[in-house]
Amino acid sequence: GAVVSQHPSRVICKSGTSVKIECRSLDFQATTMFWYRQFPKKSLMLMATSNEGSKATYEQGVEKDKFLINHASLTLSTLTVTSAHPEDSSFYICSALSSEPETQYFGPGTRLLVL
Amino acid sequence: SQKIEQNSEALNIQEGKTATLTCNYTNYSPAYLQWYRQDPGRGPVFLLLIRENEKEKRKERLKVTFDTTLKQSLFHITASQPADSATYLCAPGGKLTFGTGTRLQVTL
Repeated sequence: GAVVSQHPSRVICKSGTSVKIECRSLDFQATTMFWYRQFPKKSLMLMATSNEGSKATYEQGVEKDKFLINHASLTLSTLTVTSAHPEDSSFYICSALSSEPETQYFGPGTRLLVL
Repeated sequence: SQKIEQNSEALNIQEGKTATLTCNYTNYSPAYLQWYRQDPGRGPVFLLLIRENEKEKRKERLKVTFDTTLKQSLFHITASQPADSATYLCAPGGKLTFGTGTRLQVTL
C-alpha cells in the first residue's frame, strides 16, 4: 500500500517555542492532505485540510494562527504548532488522499509533549 | 446530523475464534466504506475498502460486508490471533469522520 511518513515521530519542547511536523507521501502525489489530533483512547479529530498550492481549510474551533499549515508540494505538507503550550501536547497524525478511489493513507503520527 | 457508531468499545475473544465488528452510520449514503487498524501510538493503517455495489469483500483472514439498506458494515477476522489485537476504525467514504473504533483483544 501507499506510504506516508511523518517527521519527527516524537518531540519534546519548552512552552512558548514552535514545533514543525512534516508529512510526506512517498510513492504518490497528494493534492490533499489532512491533519488530525488524537487524545488517548479517543477517535481522530480532524483539524484541517491541507490543499497543495492554496490555503488550508480549518475545522471549527481550530486556530489557524496557532496551527500553521503549508502544503508547498504534491508530496509534502507541514504543520507548525506556534507558541506551544502544555495543552497542545497530543498525538498528531497526517494523512494523504490518493485518488481512484479516494483513500486516506496515514502517517505513523507525531507525539508532541510541551513542558 | 451524520453519525458513525461502532459496536462496543472493547471486544474480547479467544484465539482461533471469529471476531465480528460492527459499523453503523446514519443520515448519509456513502459510495464506499473503509476499515482501518490502529495500534497504540501509531497512525491508522488502511485494511479494506468496500463499494456500495459490493456485498462482500475478502482479504486473507478478513471479510467485510456492506449493507446499504441497513446502513451497516460488518468486519470479520477469522481464525483470530493475538497479533490481531488492535483498535479497528470504520470510515464511510467521502467523509473525514471516523468511528470511535472497537478495541479488539484476542487472548490465548
